[in-house]
Formats: sequence, C-alpha cells, structure tokens
Amino acid sequence: DTGVSQDPRHKITKRGQNVTFRCDPISEHNRLYWYRQTLGQGPEFLTYFQNEAQLEKSRLLSDRFSAERPKGSFSTLEIQRTEQGDSAMYLCASSLGRGGLYYEQYFGPGTRLTVT
Amino acid sequence: EDQVTQSPEALRLQEGESSSLNCSYTVSGLRGLFWYRQDPGKGPEFLFTLYSAGEEKEKERLKATLTKKESFLHITAPKPEDSATYLCAVQGLYNFNKFYFGSGTKLNVKP
Repeated sequence: DTGVSQDPRHKITKRGQNVTFRCDPISEHNRLYWYRQTLGQGPEFLTYFQNEAQLEKSRLLSDRFSAERPKGSFSTLEIQRTEQGDSAMYLCASSLGRGGLYYEQYFGPGTRLTVT
Repeated sequence: EDQVTQSPEALRLQEGESSSLNCSYTVSGLRGLFWYRQDPGKGPEFLFTLYSAGEEKEKERLKATLTKKESFLHITAPKPEDSATYLCAVQGLYNFNKFYFGSGTKLNVKP
C-alpha cells in the first residue's frame, strides 16, 4: 500500500507564472483536502472534496486558486499568476468517510513552492 | 470561528525527562481532536484521535488525553528520535468539513 503522494515535491517559479500540483490520495479514501503551511505555522485549510464534488472552500482561496478532482480520484491544485506570498508548503490529505462518520486524515509529503 | 492554541511553542528536554504539551481549543461542539507529528520538510503523520472528554489514547511513549477545553500530549522518558513538531487539530460538530490546526509545539530531545 502506498500513502498519499504529491507531485512535484519542489517547485521554483517566477512571479506571474502559473503552477499546478497533483495529489494522489489513498485509493479507497473518498475525501480529499488541500492545505497550505508556512514556516512555523500549522496547516491552513484551503479546500475539501467528497468524491468529485468540491464541498468547501476557504476564503484564503482567492480567484487565482482552483482545484479539481475529476472522477473522484487524483486532485490538482492550480495557482495562476503566482505572487511571492504564495510561497509555502502545499499539503494534500485524504480520509475515509462513511455514513456520517469522519476518520483521521493522512497527509502526503507536500509540495514546496518558492516564488521568486 | 473554531480556534486551536498550542503551548509551549518550543520545548527542550533531556533524554528521559518527561513532559506534557498542551492544546487548548474553542469549537462549537467537538467532533474530534487529532494529534499529528511532523518532521522537518515532511507532511504531518497521524498519531491519535480523541472524541470525548475523559478519553485517553497511548502509543509507545506518548499518551493523549482530552477534557472539554483542552488536550494534553504526555511524553514519558522521551528519546532523541521523538524530536519533531507536534500538531493538534480539531473538527467541529457543525462545520465538520474543516479541520483547524494549531501552530504546533517544536520538541527537541537532547541525548
């Protein structure tokens, strides 16, 4: 069994460029989350999918951010027109949810984004 | 809005010196409280879930406890390999799609 995987692990981009990150959750997990983490802080919630439906978005997620989860499998997070303030670790997590029960999240290794 | 505060921000212990980390939370009904360990440059690793006041969970040198306002992570006779940042997160009963994380406690155990 593999855990949650993320690609790429590191991304350096110039301000104004677009970037896309991918997350592959644990195969049987129907819930998927994206977080952003800056140095010395805990993860901040960005968005949540149940299967292919995006059910929750943080107000942190500006119009430049978009996320998809086609067919309820892998997910992508795109940032358009990157800014230096977007530099952070982007974490993906997945969990299993059945019949109103919510289980713990398992995190991927993260994608470290540096905007120069 | 739901909030989580962790203390201390950093903790230095000698190997074998037991201590406790604190996680205080404000939430409109608690669905679950979660503890994670995070090593530098890696994603958080799940440790425990606690659901109701009075509940306790143990794993090796770690024990997590929960009251109505806070949770403690007790570390007994720590070893250098326990050095990491420990994160606490809460899931509210009514806004259960979101998980709110604290800023973590950075633990350094010296041999």
